[in-house]
Amino acid sequence: KNEVEQSPQNLTAQEGEFITINCSYSVGISALHWLQQHPGGGIVSLFMLSSGKKKHGRLIATINIQEKHSSLHITASHPRDSAVYICAVRGETSGSRLTFGEGTQLTVNP
Amino acid sequence: DTEVTQTPKHLVMGMTNKKSLKCEQHMGHRAMYWYKQKAKKPPELMFVYSYEKLSINESVPSRFSPECPNSSLLNLHLHALQPEDSALYLCASSRQGLGEAFFGQGTRLTVV
Repeated sequence: KNEVEQSPQNLTAQEGEFITINCSYSVGISALHWLQQHPGGGIVSLFMLSSGKKKHGRLIATINIQEKHSSLHITASHPRDSAVYICAVRGETSGSRLTFGEGTQLTVNP
Repeated sequence: DTEVTQTPKHLVMGMTNKKSLKCEQHMGHRAMYWYKQKAKKPPELMFVYSYEKLSINESVPSRFSPECPNSSLLNLHLHALQPEDSALYLCASSRQGLGEAFFGQGTRLTVV
């Protein structure tokens, strides 16, 4: 079992829909990252969380430390949101190492 | 400036070639990373530099040789690579080891 599990693996939505991607982890963490990767490779850091909730534009990230679970929400989804979304955690004892989930491929159709 | 710049964007090299990948950031970050990413897989950590010193080597073969000449630059020297080394190589940086990670666009390497 991976230390970081994401669901779903693939997600197809219509433009305008509300989207949720989930991340569960099994270790104590110092921080959790949500990353976005478009075709062509570059990774963009969306959020770094250690507690609570963060919002940036149409994106919202929440984390429940007790339940070892985080969600990434996209409101009013748009085709340009189509990308792979990756959850990564920094373990309490892993120093600067990040452990990555397998990613969620999101496709938003017009 | 919140950019991590990697060059080149694409590289094709033969198995006997020597080449280098370059990474640059001007955010004052003192931790820099090399990752390797195969298609449809998450990035795998290769090396971590902290304050220009190698702090983590994830048992990477010696045909990959990292170098951190100063706090803004990170190189990855490549020699005698194998076709299975073909991948996207990503550089990242963070404020020391615990801050938000900023990634470059990657170098897509093909070994022929």
